[in-house]
Formats: sequence, structure tokens, C-alpha cells
Amino acid sequence: EPEVTQTPSHQVTQMGQEVILRCVPISNHLYFYWYRQILGQKVEFLVSFYNNEISEKSEIFDDQFSVERPDGSNFTLKIRSTKLEDSAMYFCASSEFLWGTQYFGPGTRLTVL
Amino acid sequence: EDKVVQSPLSLVVHEGDTVTLNCSYEVTNFRSLLWYKQEKKAPTFLFMLTSSGIEKKSGRLSSILDKKELSSILNITATQTGDSAIYLCAVGEETSGSRLTFGEGTQLTVNP
Repeated sequence: EPEVTQTPSHQVTQMGQEVILRCVPISNHLYFYWYRQILGQKVEFLVSFYNNEISEKSEIFDDQFSVERPDGSNFTLKIRSTKLEDSAMYFCASSEFLWGTQYFGPGTRLTVL
Repeated sequence: EDKVVQSPLSLVVHEGDTVTLNCSYEVTNFRSLLWYKQEKKAPTFLFMLTSSGIEKKSGRLSSILDKKELSSILNITATQTGDSAIYLCAVGEETSGSRLTFGEGTQLTVNP
């Protein structure tokens, strides 16, 4: 069964460093998302992406965040200058249709020291 | 502010019991309600409920959407230890980017 994959599974970085989290969505899906879950808190929407453009972003997704689909299969989330409060599990998701079921990847645990 | 509230936050049952998990929502442009199961990491999709599909069933799991009461329930019958997980409710809105708003989740523990 097709699934969303994410790499790395765990990333440790120093405050102020740039990180890139990678995702490979399900191959025939056209809509891509990033969510995050701070330990013990709710899953929160960050951004949605379609046709090489951001469709929607939340208040969390400020100028230090960016997304990109660098080729036909990868979808990335970049955090330019990480802060302690960026420590969280980051989930990538994809859907075939605009309001279709979103399927989630296994997540990347980001730890900012 | 849009809100999704789940109850109870945690539940401990014995194998064979039936459980009912609740989700209520207040969102501006409701489109769909989704249930996910989160075991170790990734939320795994269970059901999507919309105005045109207010009841879903798969094996021992079933879910109903009550659009009048702005709520949904997830039922699990004859629970097994493998049902132990966090069950997440998420509401999809008719926004440009189809964002999902999640509840806090219900931690279900099924003891042998």
C-alpha cells in the first residue's frame, strides 16, 4: 500500500542552525501538508501546498519557515534559524484531492538544543 | 477561534469491552470530520465523515457524525489490546488549503 515517507526520523540541531525536513508524498497525490506536534500538545497545521504554491499557512508558519517541491517526488520543509520552541514532531501529509483524506507520514522528531 | 474537543482524554478498559469516544467541534466552514489512530508516530486514517456520509463502519469500528449537535462518536466493540492508541479527531474546513484542526486526542488503553 502506498505511504508517505519522511527523513530523517530524528534530527538534533543547535539553536540558530538551519534544518531541512524531507518528505516523499504518495505518488499520485497533488496536495501536500506539514503539521507539527509539540510533545503533549495537539497536532497543529503549518502549511498546505499545491501546484508549486502555498495554498494556506497558519500563524505559526512565519518567515523562518519555507516549503519547496524541488523535484517530482520530494516535498521539503526548511526552518532557517531554529529556536528551542521549534522542537516538535513534524508530520508531512498528502491527499489526492483538495478536500480528500490526508495520509500522514511517520514524522521527523526535531530536537533543538 | 475554531475548536475541536475530544472526550474523555483517557480511558482504560478490559479486552472485550465496548468504548465510545466523543468529538465536538466549532468551526466556521465545516467540510469533513476525520478519525485517526496514533500508535507510535504517524496518525493512521480510520474514517472520514461528511454531509453525504454521516455513518461509517469497518469491522469493529464505527463512527457517526451528528451535524445538528456538531459532534461525532467513534465506537469500538469487542476491544483488543491492539486497539490501545491515541485516537485523534480532526475537522476539515472549506478553506483554500483544506487545513485540518485536531483535537487533543483520547488515550485508549485496553488491558488483557
